[in-house]
Amino acid sequence: DSGVTQTPKHLITATGQRVTLRCSPRSGDLSVYWYQQSLDQGLQFLIQYYNGEERAKGNILERFSAQQFPDLHSELNLSSLELGDSALYFCASSGQRGAFFGQGTRLTVV
Amino acid sequence: AQTVTQSQPEMSVQEAETVTLSCTYDTSESDYYLFWYKQPPSRQMILVIRQEAYKQQNATENRFSVNFQKAAKSFSLKISDSQLGDAAMYFCAYRSGPYTDKLIFGTGTRLQVFP
Repeated sequence: DSGVTQTPKHLITATGQRVTLRCSPRSGDLSVYWYQQSLDQGLQFLIQYYNGEERAKGNILERFSAQQFPDLHSELNLSSLELGDSALYFCASSGQRGAFFGQGTRLTVV
Repeated sequence: AQTVTQSQPEMSVQEAETVTLSCTYDTSESDYYLFWYKQPPSRQMILVIRQEAYKQQNATENRFSVNFQKAAKSFSLKISDSQLGDAAMYFCAYRSGPYTDKLIFGTGTRLQVFP
């Protein structure tokens, strides 16, 4: 158990819809990262928050947004969903020993 | 910008044998961390081993060890006494010094283990 909690584990939704993915980092970790992994692909960095502030942005679409709340949990909002957004979305939190990943949310857009 | 390259898309090994997965990276920084992650069929990302760039000694974790060559910017993973449960995708990752920085991943190596 990595200590990082992601909900939900699976999500099926229709094109054009909006969904919210949630992540609770490990106790004591201030950084939260979001990654996207499409089928048989590597991990694409989307965005990072540190202690409530956006710290780094990767290849995140304008239709996607994220935030980190005062209790350090984070949410990734995906809107106007397209078939190509179907992927595994990982949240990770980082401490000195490395980044630890949640189990991921498998999003299927139909 | 930092980059991580894994030049072996697939590797295979027989059970109980040893296999080495390659990783090279490019950076102009002197303080950084390197990691190997395992992604089994369950798709969970599992931290296997980490190496601090300032440490000359190669990291080891049970059957997993690394060969860190800083000058050559090489970071290979050796798996000894391979087990069927080692079959997975393995990703090499780089992180700048501060532990608040993001991980940059390679494209992965798929390891098959044959009985």
